[in-house]
Amino acid sequence: QKEVEQDPGPLSVPEGAIVSLNCTYSNSAFQYFMWYRQYSRKGPELLMYTYSSGNKEDGRFTAQVDKSSKYISLFIRDSQPSDSATYLCAMSAMGNQFYFGTGTSLTVIP
Amino acid sequence: KAGVTQTPRYLIKTRGQQVTLSCSPISGHRSVSWYQQTPGQGLQFLFEYFSETQRNKGNFPGRFSGRQFSNSRSEMNVSTLELGDSALYLCASSIQGGYTEAFFGQGTRLTVV
Repeated sequence: QKEVEQDPGPLSVPEGAIVSLNCTYSNSAFQYFMWYRQYSRKGPELLMYTYSSGNKEDGRFTAQVDKSSKYISLFIRDSQPSDSATYLCAMSAMGNQFYFGTGTSLTVIP
Repeated sequence: KAGVTQTPRYLIKTRGQQVTLSCSPISGHRSVSWYQQTPGQGLQFLFEYFSETQRNKGNFPGRFSGRQFSNSRSEMNVSTLELGDSALYLCASSIQGGYTEAFFGQGTRLTVV
């Protein structure tokens, strides 16, 4: 079983839609959770960083962590064509390496 | 604030050759991690260096090695290149590693022919 599972998609939504991206994990020691956005042929860009359970909002982006279910989500409100990219979740325990999901490909159609 | 710089951006090498990739982290960051990214496998962890010491290592053969210098710059070396080593190699820097935010460079795209 992989440490982190992420539905690869692809996901296609109309402009303005709310997008929900999700990851599940198996290691209960994970405490630090990140979401990255990666455009084609570019390095991943850090979008959100959260610690432990709860919600964090930044503009149109909201990250949720449910440690009891080992489930994290990224919501994108009012999605834009510029949001079209691959979204990667990542997580770690104290002092350990980051574990990444395989990424979800998102296309926002104008 | 300068980001993570990886050089070179593109490389073409022949099977059997060796290659060295460089990563300059964000100033003040002491942890550098390396990843291999391929379409089929996603991001695969190679190793992490912290204060010149390898702290974590992924499941890659010994042909993949790295080091970190006192200024936190890191290099990754791949010897005896194989066709399957063709990938985007990414490095990420963070202040302390595991629990701190990690920032990626643009990557080095290696093509082995």
